[in-house]
Amino acid sequence: EPEVTQTPSHQVTQMGQEVILRCVPISNHLYFYWYRQILGQKVEFLVSFYNNEISEKSEIFDDQFSVERPDGSNFTLKIRSTKLEDSAMYFCASSDDEQYFGPGTRLTVT
Amino acid sequence: GENVEQHPSTLSVQEGDSAVIKCTYSDSASNYFPWYKQELGKGPQLIIDIRSNVGEKKDQRIAVTLNKTAKHFSLHITETQPEDSAVYFCAAQAITGGGNKLTFGTGTQLKVEL
Repeated sequence: EPEVTQTPSHQVTQMGQEVILRCVPISNHLYFYWYRQILGQKVEFLVSFYNNEISEKSEIFDDQFSVERPDGSNFTLKIRSTKLEDSAMYFCASSDDEQYFGPGTRLTVT
Repeated sequence: GENVEQHPSTLSVQEGDSAVIKCTYSDSASNYFPWYKQELGKGPQLIIDIRSNVGEKKDQRIAVTLNKTAKHFSLHITETQPEDSAVYFCAAQAITGGGNKLTFGTGTQLKVEL
């Protein structure tokens, strides 16, 4: 059964550093998303991406965040200058209709 | 924007009993309502969904009901088993041709006791 994959599973970085989280969506899906989940809280929408451009973003997705589909298979989330409050689980999802989530990347900013 | 409320936050049932989780939403434009199960350390897994043109949907031990007038929907799990123990999230989406973002509820920690 096809699934969304994410790398790395855990990323530790220092405040102010740049991180890139990677995702491989399900191959025939056209819509891609990033969500985050702070420990013990609900899943929050960050951004959706379709036809090589952002289709919607939340207020969390400020100028320090960017997304890219560098090739036909990968979908990345870049955080330019990480803050302590960026520590969370980051989930990638893809959809053709229903949204399917990856296993997540735990980002720890120290 | 959309706001989804979910109750209860924790639910403990005996194996074999039923469990019910309830959600309300605020945006009348929402027309798609999925439910996700999240096990510890894993991503949300879609278990069932319902669209606004349907009042009820069932898949084996899991069922979901939707009341569009009252803006609430519920997840029903019958004959619960220990492997049903997890956090369950409801979500709402307005499929408008835009971003299709999901707005999640706050989650319900379900514990099925032997």
